[in-house]
Amino acid sequence: AQSVAQPEDQVNVAEGNPLTVKCTYSVSGNPYLFWYVQYPNRGLQFLLKYITGDNLVKGSYGFEAEFNKSQTSFHLKKPSALVSDSALYFCAVPKSQDNTDKLIFGTGTRLQVFP
Amino acid sequence: DAGVIQSPRHEVTEMGQEVTLRCKPISGHNSLFWYRQTMMRGLELLIYFNNNVPIDDSGMPEDRFSAKMPNASFSTLKIQPSEPRDSAVYFCASSQGDPGLAGGSTYEQYFGPGTRLTVT
Repeated sequence: AQSVAQPEDQVNVAEGNPLTVKCTYSVSGNPYLFWYVQYPNRGLQFLLKYITGDNLVKGSYGFEAEFNKSQTSFHLKKPSALVSDSALYFCAVPKSQDNTDKLIFGTGTRLQVFP
Repeated sequence: DAGVIQSPRHEVTEMGQEVTLRCKPISGHNSLFWYRQTMMRGLELLIYFNNNVPIDDSGMPEDRFSAKMPNASFSTLKIQPSEPRDSAVYFCASSQGDPGLAGGSTYEQYFGPGTRLTVT
């Protein structure tokens, strides 16, 4: 089965600085990859996805992610962090090699943006 | 659209009691997912339905848990009897795609606000 790993439990960044939330994947073929965000006391919200094509994917709220096949990574980035970006971020991949089946979510990374 | 609706938002019950969580998916969506989130285990998929049919219930922890989807606009997750270790936030999500079909997993999932269950 395919999987993702989020190596950092928490990321701290000052407002206005660039942020990166890391995700690496383990798949057998060409993966579909997703980022979701969970704000406090809310359900998850879709941010962006990589299916095929350009390695740089742009999503909601100014976030983007870069698909890097050689490093098997799909890191989430934003050029200038906002305090309101503070949330829990999840990377996800479909369970099956052919990109079907349910999504498998990572353990989540808590982003804290300080004023 | 109001989004995915879950009720109740909070539930406090005693060990041994039956608990029923409810979900109304977004109209037109044909897949529905039940997740559980805890600090210890993170986010776990319990079961998902496509066109009201349970497709994968491998995440259901044990026989005390059951889920139904009698029609396209309503689903329930029942725990009977409840135990303190069932305390968690339970999310319902829906999507337009069928994860079992090619491309189906690309559709984003829309999550409800969750039900915070506390079993004492």
